[in-house]
Amino acid sequence: DIVMTQTPLSSAVTLGQPASISCRSSQSLVHSDGNTYLSWLQQRPGQPPRLLIYKISKRLSGVPDRFSGSGAGTDFTLKINRVEAEDVGIYYCMQVTHFPRAFGQGTKVEI
Amino acid sequence: EVHLLESGGGLVQPGGSLRLSCEASSFSFSDYGVAWVRQAPGKGLEWLSTIDSSGRSTYYAESVKGRFTISRDNSKNTLFLQMNSLRAEDTAVYYCAKDAGPTGLIFFDYWGLGTLVSVSS
Repeated sequence: DIVMTQTPLSSAVTLGQPASISCRSSQSLVHSDGNTYLSWLQQRPGQPPRLLIYKISKRLSGVPDRFSGSGAGTDFTLKINRVEAEDVGIYYCMQVTHFPRAFGQGTKVEI
Repeated sequence: EVHLLESGGGLVQPGGSLRLSCEASSFSFSDYGVAWVRQAPGKGLEWLSTIDSSGRSTYYAESVKGRFTISRDNSKNTLFLQMNSLRAEDTAVYYCAKDAGPTGLIFFDYWGLGTLVSVSS
């Protein structure tokens, strides 16, 4: 099974400053169809997960452009350009290329 | 806006059964794969099962294979999860999630609010 490893597990950030989360998979996430199904999810306190980014770098409609994703193969990054108070929460990477689907452990972002 | 509403959670004894439902609205349910994901208290997310738009293809995590069954009723816009032989470690909030395509093999673009299942004697 694929293991998704996120770093750091916790990050204290300053409002208006950038933040970055890394996600590494134990195997390549390139699908046989050529796509890489790596998503980033945000879970605010007391709320369900919410999709931010899919296929490495595509933002879901309505997601602020301060969120960006990058990477390839086994190494991926989520960047928050200028952290706002509403960005507090836990961020998960998730692979949907292989079964079983797998999530990273989560990265807690706090101000 | 896409809406997913889970129900059916509650307190059940070890070895017992429970059936979760997820009612979908504001999108064409029969055109999309859907899935169940759970989150134990204070823990991360765990994918459990996916079903394609037709209901003919299903996929399971090893942790629930043989105990849980995913199904759907497209005429009622509803996803189900039949859970048998429940264990204490099944205690979690259970979310349903919509896939972005019919196969259930793309990504989860919308999530429900979740329903809490507690397994305890």
